[in-house]
Amino acid sequence: QSALTQPPSVSGSPGQSVTISCTGTSSDVGSYNLVSWYQLPPGTAPKLMIYEVNNRPSGVPDRFSGSKSGNTASLTISGLQAEDEADYYCSLYTGSSTFVFGTGTKVTVL
Amino acid sequence: QVQLQESGPGLVKPSETLSLTCTVSGGSINTYYWGWIRQPPGKGLEWIGYIYSSGSTNYNPSLKSRVTISMDTSRNQFSLQLSSVTAADTAVYYCVRVVQLMYFDLWGRGTLVTVSS
Repeated sequence: QSALTQPPSVSGSPGQSVTISCTGTSSDVGSYNLVSWYQLPPGTAPKLMIYEVNNRPSGVPDRFSGSKSGNTASLTISGLQAEDEADYYCSLYTGSSTFVFGTGTKVTVL
Repeated sequence: QVQLQESGPGLVKPSETLSLTCTVSGGSINTYYWGWIRQPPGKGLEWIGYIYSSGSTNYNPSLKSRVTISMDTSRNQFSLQLSSVTAADTAVYYCVRVVQLMYFDLWGRGTLVTVSS
């Protein structure tokens, strides 16, 4: 199972929106609605941001949203804030009972 | 609330076995899946494997021959053993709670393990 493809970096000014893509194949992302997204801020524990494509755990701001179209899942951060600067990874539970991660995206707030 | 904390040696010699323990506090280890994920320096996340409270396990095929995950329900802990380590196994190792084999809802802060002589 190959890693899912994410852009290495995205950036935006405070208040703007940014979208991170997570591209797989028709056999993984295209077949399962089990995409989740994680935030890895420097120096603290990683945090679940989105599960099952578009569900937000309690405590996650509603400016974070998820979606999927075909073989690509996306995480959108609307109203970007300085505290959103971190690395973000998508993940998928596959049909072979294993997990695969995306390549990771660094979000920079300008 | 439930918290996870990794513990174990920060330095392991090549060819030896890496051993880490995750202590779960604030809740029972029963009825959930628990797992390990790692991140080599400057690289992305890699799923290692998971264990259920029944003892059933599943591992990343690329690591399967070297990995063992076990659980001690009396201590509310689960452990990772990775044998025959090389420098490529140097990474921050995270323990996680796995929800219904769909996503990781709780993470430890991670512990850096360096493989070096």
